[in-house]
Amino acid sequence: AQTVTQSQPEMSVQEAETVTLSCTYDTSENNYYLFWYKQPPSRQMILVIRQEAYKQQNATENRFSVNFQKAAKSFSLKISDSQLGDTAMYFCASHGGGGNKLTFGTGTQLKVEL
Amino acid sequence: GAGVSQSPRYKVTKRGQDVTLRCDPISSHATLYWYQQALGQGPEFLTYFNYEAQPDKSGLPSDRFSAERPEGSISTLTIQRTEQRDSAMYRCASSAYHSKGETQYFGPGTRLLVL
Repeated sequence: AQTVTQSQPEMSVQEAETVTLSCTYDTSENNYYLFWYKQPPSRQMILVIRQEAYKQQNATENRFSVNFQKAAKSFSLKISDSQLGDTAMYFCASHGGGGNKLTFGTGTQLKVEL
Repeated sequence: GAGVSQSPRYKVTKRGQDVTLRCDPISSHATLYWYQQALGQGPEFLTYFNYEAQPDKSGLPSDRFSAERPEGSISTLTIQRTEQRDSAMYRCASSAYHSKGETQYFGPGTRLLVL
């Protein structure tokens, strides 16, 4: 079974600053994928970034990047130049178990402040 | 369609009633997933379809929950004899293929409240 742990229930950051959200996971799979999804107040689930475990290079999408430490089973999300629109709940998820279902963490509520 | 759509967006029902939720995936997407998201939690897997086949029902909490996708496109999730603990957001997601790592695109969800 896969487990995903997000140990920061809430975080805040000043606009234009950088913030890092933590995520650890546990899996017995050799080939797996990791995701960060964003859930704004509208409660949509929006894909932020995706990482393939067999790739050593950290994924980057504009202001969003990850720090993927495979040995430590850590997958943190870094948001640079934070914007008010980044205020949301952020979920870390792993993908690779039976049925290719996503296993989610409990989320980190990020608030970007002026 | 352009994205995953779900209906209704909100549903209030009384304990003991049956409810049916609908999901319309991105057109041509082969795989469709249902998740349940309790308040303050991440989504939890219920079941999935690969076209019309339903290979995995392991996440369905009880036999009161069932899902269908008879023509391999639109899917419904039915909860019979609803209970208050069924109150949650129900999310549908679709992906192009049933392969590991394929990105799942989520619909807006149906918020169910059982009184």
